[in-house]
Amino acid sequence: DGGITQSPKYLFRKEGQNVTLSCEQNLNHDAMYWYRQDPGQGLRLIYYSQIVNDFQKGDIAEGYSVSREKKESFPLTVTSAQKNPTAFYLCASSPTGASNQPQHFGDGTRLSIL
Amino acid sequence: RKEVEQDPGPFNVPEGATVAFNCTYSNSASQSFFWYRQDCRKEPKLLMSVYSSGNEDGRFTAQLNRASQYISLLIRDSKLSDSATYLCVVNRDTGRRALTFGSGTRLQVQP
Repeated sequence: DGGITQSPKYLFRKEGQNVTLSCEQNLNHDAMYWYRQDPGQGLRLIYYSQIVNDFQKGDIAEGYSVSREKKESFPLTVTSAQKNPTAFYLCASSPTGASNQPQHFGDGTRLSIL
Repeated sequence: RKEVEQDPGPFNVPEGATVAFNCTYSNSASQSFFWYRQDCRKEPKLLMSVYSSGNEDGRFTAQLNRASQYISLLIRDSKLSDSATYLCVVNRDTGRRALTFGSGTRLQVQP
């Protein structure tokens, strides 16, 4: 079955530590996205990538980094510079990133501070 | 003003009721609109796209009013399984930054 796989499902970060969230898709989609969701709030865009080896900052990119070395993979690193990382992180993809295309989501990673 | 605004609810309705949610958006240039459903502690899932002429999918009807910049979702004959948060989603421009998500309206269908 085609889909988006995020791992791990739960992640704990210590102070001063960088952690990396995995996102893999086998939908052959060009565009991939990372969002953060805080309780009772909407999704906020962290980074997005329309094509391999290219990515752009979203609304809340500070304290995060990404890479897009392969079409199917778009890992997100939460760095120690992100002072409030506790949230639900969602990865999404769409065929080409055109604005009339809905996005499809992985089942998310919950990150907490130890 | 938020780009996409929704009444957070919760809307508590009995089974079988008809319920409607509205969502307003601020960018008059927006062209693409969607409703997503999100269950508690799960990822959002596409419920339906919203087309200019309005569209229906079973018990769900979506409408777009460009002049007033709002979209609506009508759910008829509510089921217990409809209990979820419904997210209004709008594209922010024709560029690459794609979609803006509302904070959602929570629906609780009661037996």
